Amino acid sequence: AQSVTQPDIHITVSEGASLELRCNYSYGATPYLFWYVQSPGQGLQLLLKYFSGDTLVQGIKGFEAEFKRSQSSFNLRKPSVHWSDAAEYFCAVALGDSGYSTLTFGKGTMLLVSP
Amino acid sequence: EAGVTQSPTHLIKTRGQQATLRCSPISGHTSVYWYQQALGLGLQFLLWYDEGEERNRGNFPPRFSGRQFPNYSSELNVNALELEDSALYLCASSLGQRVTQYFGPGTRLLVL
Repeated sequence: AQSVTQPDIHITVSEGASLELRCNYSYGATPYLFWYVQSPGQGLQLLLKYFSGDTLVQGIKGFEAEFKRSQSSFNLRKPSVHWSDAAEYFCAVALGDSGYSTLTFGKGTMLLVSP
Repeated sequence: EAGVTQSPTHLIKTRGQQATLRCSPISGHTSVYWYQQALGLGLQFLLWYDEGEERNRGNFPPRFSGRQFPNYSSELNVNALELEDSALYLCASSLGQRVTQYFGPGTRLLVL
């Protein structure tokens, strides 16, 4: 079964600094990859997704992620963090087989932004 | 365009009772997914409905059940509530069986 690892439970970044959140997956083939963000008490908002093609994916709110097959990674980046980015971030994987599209999530990384 | 909606936003029940949670997908979406987000356990897949049929089920006991209606809205029922059922229940929808899922705001269930 596929699994997703987000090794950092918490990360604190100064406002204006760059950000990288790590995500590693375990799956035999190239899965479909996603990043979601969850503000306190809210649902999940899709930031970006990777299915195939260009390994650098642009998302909303200035986020991007890079798929690296050799490292089984899909790290999320942002060049300059804003205080409003403080939230919990989830990496997720879906099997690409037709008719089997449930998501497996990592445990999440809580981003704290310091002034 | 309206997103995924869920009701109620909060639900308080006592142990042994039944809870019913509702979800309306994005217009045109036929697949609905339910996830449980419990403290310390992360996001866990519960159920997937597509075109009125249950397509897949996560590792949850049978007292977690649901259905999808002809208008593609869905209901999650939790019978014989236990304290550990307290969680945020998230519903998501997708266009057919395509994998991109869009989430609602969730229903927070508290079991006392």
